[in-house]
Amino acid sequence: DIQLTQSPSFLSASVGGRVTITCRASQAFSSYLSWYQQKSGRAPKLLIYASSTLQSGVPSRFSGTRSGTEFTLTITNLQPEDFATYYCQQFNSYPFTFGQGTKLEIK
Amino acid sequence: DVQLVESGGGLVQPGGSLRLSCAASEFTFASHAMAWVRQAPGKGLEWVSSISGSGDSPYYAASVKGRFSISRDNSKNTLFLQMNSLRADDTAVYYCVRGDGGGRIFYFDYWGQGSLVTVSS
Repeated sequence: DIQLTQSPSFLSASVGGRVTITCRASQAFSSYLSWYQQKSGRAPKLLIYASSTLQSGVPSRFSGTRSGTEFTLTITNLQPEDFATYYCQQFNSYPFTFGQGTKLEIK
Repeated sequence: DVQLVESGGGLVQPGGSLRLSCAASEFTFASHAMAWVRQAPGKGLEWVSSISGSGDSPYYAASVKGRFSISRDNSKNTLFLQMNSLRADDTAVYYCVRGDGGGRIFYFDYWGQGSLVTVSS
């Protein structure tokens, strides 16, 4: 199974700021990695797929990149509605594993 | 807009069974693979099972293989998850999710609101 290690687990930032969340895979695979945002009590929402493709309707302040087995989600100009928990997920092979999540809080 | 509405959750005793349903609308159901993802209280997301648009090629997480069965009725636009031999660690919100295409899945683009399953005596 492909293990995904997200870091950090918790993150504190200010409105208007910039954050980067990393998802490191246990082995090399294709670029089929997605990022989701989940707000408390709500279903996850797709932000980015195929490592760097922005889902329709998602603001351009969200971006994703890949370098080898390391995938990053960057959020610039943080808005109040961005404070949530973020998950990565790989679709290279079954089981479709998730990272453990990163909770982004307001500083 | 795509709609995925889960039902069938509730309280069940350890060793019991439950069947979840997911009613899909506003898209061509048979053209999309579907899946179930769960989230235990206060925990992260766990992929449970997937099925292709045609209903073949089911896949399961090791934690549920042999106990859970995924199926679909394309004539009724409905996805199912039959859960048998339930254990306390199956307690979670179960989300119905849509795959991007009918065969191999590259991402999950729509999620239902979730259905809570509680396994307790």
